[in-house]
Amino acid sequence: QKEVEQDPGPLSVPEGAIVSLNCTYSNSAFQYFMWYRQYSRKGPELLMYTYSSGNKEDGRFTAQVDKSSKYISLFIRDSQPSDSATYLCAMKGTGGGNKLTFGTGTQLKVEL
Amino acid sequence: DTGVSQNPRHKITKRGQNVTFRCDPISEHNRLYWYRQTLGQGPEFLTYFQNEAQLEKSRLLSDRFSAERPKGSFSTLEIQRTEQGDSAMYLCASSSPRGLSTYEQYFGPGTRLTVT
Repeated sequence: QKEVEQDPGPLSVPEGAIVSLNCTYSNSAFQYFMWYRQYSRKGPELLMYTYSSGNKEDGRFTAQVDKSSKYISLFIRDSQPSDSATYLCAMKGTGGGNKLTFGTGTQLKVEL
Repeated sequence: DTGVSQNPRHKITKRGQNVTFRCDPISEHNRLYWYRQTLGQGPEFLTYFQNEAQLEKSRLLSDRFSAERPKGSFSTLEIQRTEQGDSAMYLCASSSPRGLSTYEQYFGPGTRLTVT
C-alpha cells in the first residue's frame, strides 16, 4: 500500500463547477500538507500549504485537512478552463530533512 | 527571473552514456532537492542538500547516480551508464531557510531524459 493515495482521474467538469480533489494517507507522521498544480510537461507549482486540521482558503481554492481521518481535500470554486491540469497532493513529517511524499496526481479538465 | 532553473530542458541519450543535469535554485534558498517523475506518477524524492552538504538520499539513488552542490549554490545530478528505466522527468526544487517557509518547496521546469 502506498503512503499517499490519490484518485488519478481523469476528472472532467463544466466551467463554473466546484471541484473536489482528495488524498488519503497512512503515515501518522505526516504533519504538513501541500497541493501542487502541474501543467503538462511543466514542473509542479505550489498552490497551498497547511499544517493544521481545518480549512485554509486562498481565493477560489480551499484546502481542508482532517488528521483524525488521514484525509485531505482541495476545493476549487468557479472552476475555469485554465484550471485544467494535474493536481498533486504532497506531505511531509516532522522529522529531519524535508522529503515530500506525493500522491500520483489527479488529472482535471474543465470544459467550456 | 527569480525561479528555479534547470538545464537542459530535454536530453536524449543512448543507453550506456553518461548524462549530467544542472539546477540553479532561487538565490536565497539554501535547501535543494532532486526528484524523479515518471509518466502518470507523482514526483519521487531522490536527494536533499542543505547548503553544500548532502543530508539525505533515497534508495532510488543507485550507485550510478551522483549529485553534488559544491559551493552551496547550483547543483548537478549525474547518471552514469544510463538505462532505459532512467527515462523520466528530473525535477529540482528549493526552499527558504526561514521559518515555516522551509516546508514550501518551489520546483523548476524539469529536465526530461529519454534513454534510447
